[in-house]
Amino acid sequence: DAGVTQSPTHLIKTRGQQVTLRCSPKSGHDTVSWYQQALGQGPQFIFQYYEEEERQRGNFPDRFSGHQFPNYSSELNVNALLLGDSALYLCASSLLYRGMGHTEAFFGQGTRLTVV
Amino acid sequence: GEDVEQSLFLSVREGDSSVINCTYTDSSSTYLYWYKQEPGAGLQLLTYIFSNMDMKQDQRLTVLLNKKDKHLSLRIADTQTGDSAIYFCAETPYSSASKIIFGSGTRLSIRP
Repeated sequence: DAGVTQSPTHLIKTRGQQVTLRCSPKSGHDTVSWYQQALGQGPQFIFQYYEEEERQRGNFPDRFSGHQFPNYSSELNVNALLLGDSALYLCASSLLYRGMGHTEAFFGQGTRLTVV
Repeated sequence: GEDVEQSLFLSVREGDSSVINCTYTDSSSTYLYWYKQEPGAGLQLLTYIFSNMDMKQDQRLTVLLNKKDKHLSLRIADTQTGDSAIYFCAETPYSSASKIIFGSGTRLSIRP
């Protein structure tokens, strides 16, 4: 099992551009969450996808959008990039939490986005 | 509100015990976690504790939870150089059990 895989590993973009990051979940997982980790900070929850729909969203502007495909893989899109969007973007996959027991979230290695 | 706080740095001698502390604000947290992040790597779940437990031990790791004070700690026994990393305290709020709220991380460095 390859675990959670993210691509690309590194990316440099210019202010105002748009970027798409990709995530393949761990085999058997149906839920994908995205986190932004700025330098020296802990990860911040962006949103979560299940059954191709956004289930929950953190405190991020509409410039951040996502998609989940029928094979459970996911994309994170960021429009009109700002310098402050420079960060490590982490994808986590899990089984949907259904209120009973613990479902572990497995994290990918992340995509390092630099906006110049 | 949802907030998790932890000290930024900890330095310990190899072979000693490390204790990393964390406080959280959400009294309705369901699960509390300790994650490890090494340079260039993603997050690795070390251990977790359900909110109705006081203690959990897993090999060299001991987690203590004081719900009254909203305080969580991670003790690493016999600290080794491979334990050098950033450790994140995190919680899952009951109100939204899908997301994980992380602290800013404690950088653990090991002295020979």
